[in-house]
Amino acid sequence: QVQLQESGPGLVKPSEALSLTCTVSGGSMSDKYWSWIRQPPGKGLEWIGYVYYSGFANYNPSLKSRVTISVDTSKNQFSLRLDSMTAADTAVYYCASDDYGNYPHWGQGTLVSVSS
Amino acid sequence: QSALTQPRSVSGSPGQSVTISCTGTSSDVGTYNSVSWYQQYPGKAPRLMIYGVSKRPSGVPDRFSGSKSGNTASLTISGLQAEDEADYYCCSYADSYTRFGGGTKLTVL
Repeated sequence: QVQLQESGPGLVKPSEALSLTCTVSGGSMSDKYWSWIRQPPGKGLEWIGYVYYSGFANYNPSLKSRVTISVDTSKNQFSLRLDSMTAADTAVYYCASDDYGNYPHWGQGTLVSVSS
Repeated sequence: QSALTQPRSVSGSPGQSVTISCTGTSSDVGTYNSVSWYQQYPGKAPRLMIYGVSKRPSGVPDRFSGSKSGNTASLTISGLQAEDEADYYCCSYADSYTRFGGGTKLTVL
């Protein structure tokens, strides 16, 4: 059973960058896609982007200018970087396995707040 | 890119059936058979309940079923149980990215 675990800071200052890492266990990252999804408090889900095990990435057009998703299969990890954070980026950030747009396995989520 | 449209809330009594709609466009739901549904309890991660419009992952009760007609997908829960009270989100592939619905709160009366 694939398990995912997010790690990273819970508080980021406005205008700074967010960096989160997702560690995958219980399965190989090969031949698979991996996504980041976020959920502002009390609101719905928003897909941020995915990375293929080869390193190819694709992003939500609304966030594309600020997002970078990368993968390190030797560590069984993939990462999210979101630049120029504002209060609107305050959310629970989830990593998930991505089966062609279906998300069967999720991390528990990590709350990231943007505040000075 | 707007979210897919879902009713904000639905309700039903134990044993009844409820249907949650998810309306998109010809650029997402209407074109692709990659519609999925997620159940989310407060403070928890979403759980995949339906994928590929109508397929159930292992472990999901057969009380949950999915369908699609035109630009609208639907999730039907039959034989409603108290444990079904949760938020439900639809999701559709849409030209190289995926789009979620705004979510529907299901209340079991």
